[in-house]
Amino acid sequence: SQKIEQNSEALNIQEGKTATLTCNYTNYSPAYLQWYRQDPGRGPVFLLLIRENEKEKRKERLKVTFDTTLKQSLFHITASQPADSATYLCARVNQAGTALIFGKGTTLSVSS
Amino acid sequence: DAGITQSPRYKITETGRQVTLMCHQTWSHSYMFWYRQDLGHGLRLIYYSAAADITDKGEVPDGYVVSRSKTENFPLTLESATRSQTSVYFCASSESGDSPLHFGNGTRLTVT
Repeated sequence: SQKIEQNSEALNIQEGKTATLTCNYTNYSPAYLQWYRQDPGRGPVFLLLIRENEKEKRKERLKVTFDTTLKQSLFHITASQPADSATYLCARVNQAGTALIFGKGTTLSVSS
Repeated sequence: DAGITQSPRYKITETGRQVTLMCHQTWSHSYMFWYRQDLGHGLRLIYYSAAADITDKGEVPDGYVVSRSKTENFPLTLESATRSQTSVYFCASSESGDSPLHFGNGTRLTVT
């Protein structure tokens, strides 16, 4: 089956530090992975998409990597701020390329 | 404003009743999705639709029915609600099967 796992349910860091979230997948490498942010009581919001042939992608303070050997994606937030506190979800496309399968998410708390 | 709207925002119903959750998008996106989100399970795909009159099962379709007579609407019906269907339901849309998803803000359904 096509699984995607986010190993940490929660991550607590201090303001200004870099937060690193991990996403692991099983079986075949998906064509791409996506990362979303979800705030309490709201739907997830798309952040970044990284394709299989891309090692790294950046957007402002966000960086995502894709390692097909380790079957892993890392999501980094540099110079973290309390406003970055949220749940972050990674997702892989299913084998048919028609829908996303989500991990359970990692809840990040940034303290000032 | 363009967007994706779910209604109602909150719903309480009794076991055995039929209930329909509504989803409307204004982008004319081809794909629409229904997910449920539960503690410990994350987001799980119920049904999705690639276009009007085309629907397909996701990971947890049992007890749910969908229809897509118009591109912009994708209602989800619980034919005979059960307590295990108490959850937060999210509707999403995308331009294609591998595009980022745009989520609504969810419907919190409680089955008593």
